[in-house]
This record gives sequence, structure tokens and C-alpha cells, in this order.
Amino acid sequence: KNQVEQSPQSLIILEGKNCTLQCNYTVSPFSNLRWYKQDTGRGPVSLTIMTFSENTKSNGRYTATLDADTKQSSLHITASQLSDSASYICVVRAGDSSYKLIFGSGTRLLVRP
Amino acid sequence: NAGVTQTPKFQVLKTGQSMTLQCAQDMNHEYMSWYRQDPGMGLRLIHYSVGAGITDQGEVPNGYNVSRSTTEDFPLRLLSAAPSQTSVYFCASRSPRPLAGGRDNEQFFGPGTRLTVL
Repeated sequence: KNQVEQSPQSLIILEGKNCTLQCNYTVSPFSNLRWYKQDTGRGPVSLTIMTFSENTKSNGRYTATLDADTKQSSLHITASQLSDSASYICVVRAGDSSYKLIFGSGTRLLVRP
Repeated sequence: NAGVTQTPKFQVLKTGQSMTLQCAQDMNHEYMSWYRQDPGMGLRLIHYSVGAGITDQGEVPNGYNVSRSTTEDFPLRLLSAAPSQTSVYFCASRSPRPLAGGRDNEQFFGPGTRLTVL
């Protein structure tokens, strides 16, 4: 069964610290993996998208990694800011013709001053 | 560009009532989708459309209808609301044309509609 699992479910860190969020997937065939940021009360906004051949992708203080062999991805946030408080959602697109997106349940990050 | 807009932002219904959630986009995207987001679960696809006049069912279509008479609009209708339909609903759109290197075009989400069914 195609699944995307994220850990931890929630995380609290102090402003300025780094953190890493994890995503494991069992989607096959695989097309690409995306990380979204969702602020409270808003829709998800894309941070990165990685295809099979990409290992690392950065977007400012956000760096995503992908290991297609172990079917794992991580999102690393550097020098966290209060505005990073949000849910982070890992989404995998199946590699067939359906453009089916499988969403993880997200990691809720709280950055405290 | 306003992007993807949704109305209303909040709605409370009684069991058995019907209503329509509105979604519009001004990016000329062919693909539009409706998702629901429930606590502790990932977003689940309700219905989607690949162009005006074409719609199809997603993962959880029961109790919902859609139509796509124009490229811009993709309303979601609840026929007879049930408490199990209490959720946050997101509309999304994207262009089907791949980017350089075969990459998917980005999917844009609306701000959501929070629906409570009593």
C-alpha cells in the first residue's frame, strides 16, 4: 500500500536552533517528492520538489534530502525563526500516469523565542 | 494574480443541509482538485478535473459532487451534509504542462474552507 509517514508528529525548538524532519515512503513506482509548509489556517505552500535523481535541494534555510534507495527524505531547517512555526507536509507523487499524490500527516513545528 | 481563492472561509451546517464550496483560480490552470484535511491524517483527494467539462473521482468522493463548466471555477457540492464531513477543505490547481527536464508544474492551494456539520 502506498504510504507516507512523517516523524516526529510534533516538535518544539528554540529560536535560532536547527532541526530535521523525517519522511519515509512506500510509494511505488516513485516520481517525485515534495515538501510543503502549511501555516495555521492557510493552505500548503511548496518548499521543494525532488525527482529520483536529486539528492539535495535547498530553498533558503530549508534543505531537503532524498535517498531513493532507502525511500527516505528529510527536511533540515537552519537557524530557525519564529515564522518557521507551521506544519510541514511530505508528499510523494506516484510514478504512474495518474498524478496521484500521497500526503503525509505532517510534522507540527513550534519555534519558541 | 489572486491565485486560488475559496469561499466561504468558515461554514456551519446542520445535518441534511446542502451547500456549495466555491473555488476559483486566475492562472489559467487546466488541473483543479478538491482535498479534505482531517486531524492526524494527510490530505485526501475528493474529486479532480483535468479541464472544463471533465471531472473524476478521487479517494473519498462519496457525498460530494463537482462540475467544471469553466477553466476558472470548480465548485464542490455537499448534497446532504453529515457530521463525518466536518473538515477543512482545500482547492488546488496546477498547469499540466511539465517544466524543463520533465518536472511537474507546481500545485497551488487555496486558503481553505473550515466546515462544521452539526
